[in-house]
Amino acid sequence: DGGITQSPKYLFRKEGQNVTLSCEQNLNHDAMYWYRQDPGQGLRLIYYSQIVNDFQKGDIAEGYSVSREKKESFPLTVTSAQKNPTAFYLCASSIDGLGYSEAFFGQGTRLTVV
Amino acid sequence: GENVEQHPSTLSVQEGDSAVIKCTYSDSASNYFPWYKQELGKGPQLIIDIRSNVGEKKDQRIAVTLNKTAKHFSLHITETQPEDSAVYFCAASSPGGGNKLTFGTGTQLKVEL
Repeated sequence: DGGITQSPKYLFRKEGQNVTLSCEQNLNHDAMYWYRQDPGQGLRLIYYSQIVNDFQKGDIAEGYSVSREKKESFPLTVTSAQKNPTAFYLCASSIDGLGYSEAFFGQGTRLTVV
Repeated sequence: GENVEQHPSTLSVQEGDSAVIKCTYSDSASNYFPWYKQELGKGPQLIIDIRSNVGEKKDQRIAVTLNKTAKHFSLHITETQPEDSAVYFCAASSPGGGNKLTFGTGTQLKVEL
């Protein structure tokens, strides 16, 4: 089955710790995205990558970092600098970053800071 | 940057009735407007999309209309069914922007028996 796999589904982190969320796709898509979703709010873009070894900040990049060393993988690290990291994180991919491309989403990772 | 507003935030309809969700956008360069359905605890799924060179698009019980002059677009669901209950998000993207989507804040649709 082709698709996007996010892991883990639930993640608990102690304050002050960095944590990495995994996102893998086997759709052969060039572009990948990370969104954050808070209750009652829309999805907000954290980072995106249009091609391997390149990525750009989105609207709320502070306290987050990413890498894109392989086409299939786009991990997101939530650092201790992120003031309010508890949220639902969604990874997406599209065939390219040129527009009109459907974005396919993973099932999400719910991060809770304890 | 782009700003997308979505109304209403909650919508309750009787099974078989129609539901309409409306969105406005701010960037006149935006040219792609998808609608996503999100079920509880899952990622959003595309249900229909429209490009700026089209005024209306229909897929069975779902239709989307776009008014570029007024910068608003709407989702219409006819003959609603209980399985239509979910959160619906509109979004907009502009060319050359890496296909980044700006989302509305979502509409919780409840279809009552």
